[in-house]
Amino acid sequence: QKEVEQNSGPLSVPEGAIASLNCTYSDRGSQSFFWYRQYSGKSPELIMFIYSNGDKEDGRFTAQLNKASQYVSLLIRDSQPSDSATYLCAAIPSGGSYIPTFGRGTSLIVHP
Amino acid sequence: EAQVTQNPRYLITVTGKKLTVTCSQNMNHEYMSWYRQDPGLGLRQIYYSMNVEVTDKGDVPEGYKVSRKEKRNFPLILESPSPNQTSLYFCASTRDRFTDTQYFGPGTRLTVL
Repeated sequence: QKEVEQNSGPLSVPEGAIASLNCTYSDRGSQSFFWYRQYSGKSPELIMFIYSNGDKEDGRFTAQLNKASQYVSLLIRDSQPSDSATYLCAAIPSGGSYIPTFGRGTSLIVHP
Repeated sequence: EAQVTQNPRYLITVTGKKLTVTCSQNMNHEYMSWYRQDPGLGLRQIYYSMNVEVTDKGDVPEGYKVSRKEKRNFPLILESPSPNQTSLYFCASTRDRFTDTQYFGPGTRLTVL
């Protein structure tokens, strides 16, 4: 059974701090990894994706991938109260099928 | 505006009464998927389609049917709904499964009594 594990949280950080969200995955054949943000009652929206080992930066967000350790993380710098949401990690398998595996999400609370 | 639409947004029905949830995208995407989201279980894929007339099972296909007769539409059919299919359903589409985001519809909240 392919799994993506995330700490459910809540992770609480003060405004302006760095929030660190982590995700581990079981399928070594996973090829790409996506981070989505989901506000309560709304649909997920993409933060960023990564498929190469190392870091990828986009504005206040940095995704980190370590395939040897099967570990993906998302750093949010200068956290804002508007970043308060659930963050979903998804792993996309290689091969012919398209069955993404989503983690259960980490709840982030940024308090003023 | 690029979007995925779903209808209805809310539905309350009774056990055994067939229903269809429609999904349409205007981005000419090849890949479309249906997910259900349940508290504590996260998003789980029901079915996906890689192109017209090409569909395949996801992680939780039991009790559901889909069809892809046109590229833009991907309806989800529950022929005999049961209470354990009460959930929040999302349709999504993407151009490229590895390097492009999935665009999610607004969700359909289904209650089966």
